[in-house]
Amino acid sequence: QVQLVESGGGLVKPGGSLRLSCAASGFTFSDFYMSWIRQAPGKGLEWFSYISGSGTSIYYADSVKGRFTISRDNAQNSLYLQMNSLRAEDTAVYYCARRTVTKNFDSWGQGTLVTVSS
Amino acid sequence: EIVLTQSPGTLSLSPGERATLSCRASQSVSSNYFAWYQQKPGQAPRLLIYGTSNRATGIPDRFSGSGSGTDFTLTISRLEPEDFAVYYCQQYGSSPPYTFGQGTKLEIK
Repeated sequence: QVQLVESGGGLVKPGGSLRLSCAASGFTFSDFYMSWIRQAPGKGLEWFSYISGSGTSIYYADSVKGRFTISRDNAQNSLYLQMNSLRAEDTAVYYCARRTVTKNFDSWGQGTLVTVSS
Repeated sequence: EIVLTQSPGTLSLSPGERATLSCRASQSVSSNYFAWYQQKPGQAPRLLIYGTSNRATGIPDRFSGSGSGTDFTLTISRLEPEDFAVYYCQQYGSSPPYTFGQGTKLEIK
C-alpha cells in the first residue's frame, strides 16, 4: 500500500533553516508529481510547492518562493523540502502528498510539525 | 488565483440526517480538477471525491459530489458518527496554484 512518512520537523528560531524529508513506498515514486502542503495550527490547508516525477518541473507559491527548495531523489524514493529564512508564519504541520493525474492529492503523509519561535 | 469559499462554516446535524456542503469558486473551474477531502482531528486529510463526482477508493456511497462552473456540492446522504469532521474543497485551474477552501466543520448536534 502507498505510504508517505515525513520527518525533520522541530523547533527553529526565526531566520533559521530546516530540512524536511518524505519517504515514499508502495508505488513507483518517479511516476508521480509530489507536493508539499501545510496547515497552520487551527487553520486550513495551504498548498505551496510541487515537483514533477523527473524533477524537471518545479513550482512554488509566492508565500515561500525564494526561501524554500523542493527536491527529490527517485533512487531513494524520497522527497525533500529545504526551508531557509524561516518566519513565525511558517509554523505549521507540513504534509507531503502524492498528486494524481486529475490534479488532486490521493495519498498524504502523517505530517511533521515545524515551529518557528524564539 | 482562484479563491474557494465554503459554506456554511459550521454545520450541526444529527446522525442519520443528510448533509449538504457547498463550495463556490471566484471564477469558473474545471470539473475534472475539483475535489473534496475529509480531515479528522490529528489526522491528515483524506481524499473523498475527485473530478467533482468520482468517489476515491474505499469511500462509501453515501458520499456524493456534484456541480460545475463555480458552484460545487458535497452531499452525505445519511450521516454516520464517523462522518463528523472538517471538509475541504480543492481545485486546480489551468496553472498553479492549487487552492483549498477554508473548510466546513461538520459537528454533532
